[in-house]
Amino acid sequence: AQSVTQPDIHITVSEGASLELRCNYSYGATPYLFWYVQSPGQGLQLLLKYFSGDTLVQGIKGFEAEFKRSQSSFNLRKPSVHWSDAAEYFCALYSGAGSYQLTFGKGTKLSVIP
Amino acid sequence: DVKVTQSSRYLVKRTGEKVFLECVQDMDHENMFWYRQDPGLGLRLIYFSYDVKMKEKGDIPEGYSVSREKKERFSLILESASTNQTSMYLCASSVGGNIQYFGAGTRLSVL
Repeated sequence: AQSVTQPDIHITVSEGASLELRCNYSYGATPYLFWYVQSPGQGLQLLLKYFSGDTLVQGIKGFEAEFKRSQSSFNLRKPSVHWSDAAEYFCALYSGAGSYQLTFGKGTKLSVIP
Repeated sequence: DVKVTQSSRYLVKRTGEKVFLECVQDMDHENMFWYRQDPGLGLRLIYFSYDVKMKEKGDIPEGYSVSREKKERFSLILESASTNQTSMYLCASSVGGNIQYFGAGTRLSVL
């Protein structure tokens, strides 16, 4: 069975600082990987996705993520955080192979200090 | 843009009431999903549907049922609401099972 782990429940950064949110997965083959963002009281919005090819993927709002097969990781990064980035971030895995479901991590809440 | 619309942003119901949460998507997606989201537990899949009138149980189906009579609409039903069903409910749709598009959520309080 696959799983997704986001080791950090809550992270606080200062505005303008760089950000890295960690995501580790467990799956026997190369999965499809996603990062979603959820602003307070809202649904989830897709930030970026990795299906295959270039292991560094660019997303919306200036985010990027790097797939590292050797570390089973898909960490999300942003060089300079803005106050509006305060939200909860979810990493998710899709195994394909006839499955319809995404497996989500439990989320990392990001707070931004002005 | 894909649009997934949940009929209510906030609902307050009483214990024992029958509750309907409605979700409509406008992109002709085959797959639709209902999740509940609770602090510290992340998103948990309740039910999903891969076609009209087809449904599959997710991880926590107890106390819930679903209906999909038309491709664009997926309803979550709480037959007899209980206080432990107070939660945020999220609907999503997808084609091919990978990228899921989410609605804004319904925050349900059961008193």
